[in-house]
Amino acid sequence: DAKTTQPPSMDCAEGRAANLPCNHSTISGNEYVYWYRQIHSQGPQYIIHGLKNNETNEMASLIITEDRKSSTLILPHATLRDTAVYYCIVRSQGAQKLVFGQGTRLTINP
Amino acid sequence: EAGVVQSPRYKIIEKKQPVAFWCNPISGHNTLYWYLQNLGQGPELLIRYENEEAVDDSQLPKDRFSAERLKGVDSTLKIQPAELGDSAVYLCASSQGQRETQYFGPGTRLLVL
Repeated sequence: DAKTTQPPSMDCAEGRAANLPCNHSTISGNEYVYWYRQIHSQGPQYIIHGLKNNETNEMASLIITEDRKSSTLILPHATLRDTAVYYCIVRSQGAQKLVFGQGTRLTINP
Repeated sequence: EAGVVQSPRYKIIEKKQPVAFWCNPISGHNTLYWYLQNLGQGPELLIRYENEEAVDDSQLPKDRFSAERLKGVDSTLKIQPAELGDSAVYLCASSQGQRETQYFGPGTRLLVL
């Protein structure tokens, strides 16, 4: 599975959109981009995943560049409860496990 | 729909003692995973089950760790004897199939003194 690069930390004001970048320059054609987050003292929570097209659900939007070498997770209206470590993971269709990196520690400030 | 259930949530033991963690996956999920998460790190896979069969246990330290998934539903992860370095969070996850989205439980936080 391709490796990902994320900034170690980010801050965002409450009510604003939080945009979390992820680089995955070695991604291959059959690899999906997954996002999970982990709130303190909880297990990782699935957010969203995509292959080529942009995706949106009730939690977030995922924007994948046309060359698929990077992506951005967007939390449209961040709240204090969105403070967490966000993990960007690249996973091939046949992969049976998730390989977590260090993630981005997002802090939402009041 | 109930999520992945794990117990206990916290466990404190002395080194050399045995300890066991229990996981109940989401109903209908055939694939079950145990992950280890050290402080400040992302989770790492220990073992993966397809129904009752352990299909990937390459990262499980077999000298002291064991796991079972009787009847292909609940699973237990055991450490015997525990060492100081085993202090970590043990996470259970499940998915409908091996290529499907994984959903995690809250984890068991183990402290070995």
